[in-house]
Amino acid sequence: DVKVTQSSRYLVKRTGEKVFLECVQDMDHENMFWYRQDPGLGLRLIYFSYDVKMKEKGDIPEGYSVSREKKERFSLILESASTNQTSMYLCASSARGAPGNTEAFFGQGTRLTVV
Amino acid sequence: AQKITQTQPGMFVQEKEAVTLDCTYDTSDPSYGLFWYKQPSSGEMIFLIYQGSYDQQNATEGRYSLNFQKARKSANLVISASQLGDSAMYFCAMREGGVNQGGKLIFGQGTELSVKP
Repeated sequence: DVKVTQSSRYLVKRTGEKVFLECVQDMDHENMFWYRQDPGLGLRLIYFSYDVKMKEKGDIPEGYSVSREKKERFSLILESASTNQTSMYLCASSARGAPGNTEAFFGQGTRLTVV
Repeated sequence: AQKITQTQPGMFVQEKEAVTLDCTYDTSDPSYGLFWYKQPSSGEMIFLIYQGSYDQQNATEGRYSLNFQKARKSANLVISASQLGDSAMYFCAMREGGVNQGGKLIFGQGTELSVKP
């Protein structure tokens, strides 16, 4: 059974803390993505990575950074958490190739609350 | 710029009737894929159906079909014979790029579908 696993289901952090959200996939996928999901705004892409050590900004990268040192692991970092980063965070992975065979598989999500 | 738009925040449909969820997109890449996902209240993201930009026929998967109108840049999801279990949030998504390209995958705002008994 294919899996994308996010390290935490729920997190509560204080303003100004450095926060790490971890995502691991076991499908040998080249592409990995981080989204945040907010009511009425859908899923907004923060960063994605198409290979180890490679990353590209999505639509809302401000306040975030990412790390991909190994193919199976993609980390999202909030350098200094703020209350407006309270949200649901979703990680996804997909194989490289023509879009025809590259459906994305999602983790269960991390609900982050910054107080 | 790559963009996906879902203009229906919420929809209601009577059980056993068909429903169409709208999706329009914008891209300058001739090679792209369009996806629909379902997110029930449990929060998991479930892949429903895919349409490639070069596919000649509309995609179908069981009760789901994708009404692909390339010239209009629309990719509407049609659910036939709605069931109570179809009540969920539905997202349209697009990925640009051909083989060996790591195109980003972007999503629309979502449509919340409620099926009435």
